[in-house]
Amino acid sequence: DTGVSQNPRHKITKRGQNVTFRCDPISEHNRLYWYRQTLGQGPEFLTYFQNEAQLEKSRLLSDRFSAERPKGSFSTLEIQRTEQGDSAMYLCASPTESSTDTQYFGPGTRLTVL
Amino acid sequence: GENVEQHPSTLSVQEGDSAVIKCTYSDSASNYFPWYKQELGKGPQLIIDIRSNVGEKKDQRIAVTLNKTAKHFSLHITETQPEDSAVYFCAASMEDDYKLSFGAGTTVTVRA
Repeated sequence: DTGVSQNPRHKITKRGQNVTFRCDPISEHNRLYWYRQTLGQGPEFLTYFQNEAQLEKSRLLSDRFSAERPKGSFSTLEIQRTEQGDSAMYLCASPTESSTDTQYFGPGTRLTVL
Repeated sequence: GENVEQHPSTLSVQEGDSAVIKCTYSDSASNYFPWYKQELGKGPQLIIDIRSNVGEKKDQRIAVTLNKTAKHFSLHITETQPEDSAVYFCAASMEDDYKLSFGAGTTVTVRA
C-alpha cells in the first residue's frame, strides 16, 4: 500500500455519460500527478498539480477532460461525454515529503466505456 | 518531450537465472530514472530508482545501472523467482516538473 488511494476502482459507463474519479494522495505533499494507461502500454502523463494550481496539461487531455484539486488535498478527474477511446486505467501519483522526484502510484481506476 | 524506449517487450527466463531490461532516453536533461513493477489490475509499484549523479545502485536481487553519456539505463534481476513475473516499466523525469515519461514495458515470465 503506497498511501495513495483512488475511487472508484472500476467504472463502467455508456458512451456519452460523464464520469468523475477521485484521488487522495500521500498526505501533506504539494504535488499530484494524473496518468492514463491503455492496455499493453506504459502510463502517459495527463496533468499535474502543485497545491491547488494545475501547472501543466498534456495534449492528451482534450476539452472533455477537467481536473481539479481544491484546497491542495484530494483531486478529481472528470470526463464529459465519454467516448469508447477513453477506456483506460487512470492512475494518480504522489511524491513524498522526503523525495520530491519519487512518485508513488495509487491502484488506479479502470474505466470501461460501452 | 522526452522519449523512452524499452527492450525487450517480452522476456522469459528460467527460475534462478538473471533478467536484464534495457532502456534509452532522448533528453540529456533527464536526471531521475525509476523502475516500476506492475501486476495485473494493480498500479505500478516502485522497485528501484537511480539519479544521474550515480552510475549503479543495488537492492538485494535488483540492480540498476546508468550510462549518462550513452543515455541508457538497465535493470538487472538476479536469481529470479516466480513472484518476479510481472510487467516492468522504466521511466525518466527532469528536475523542472518531475513528470514521468515511461517506456512501453517488458513482460517478464519466470518459468519454474
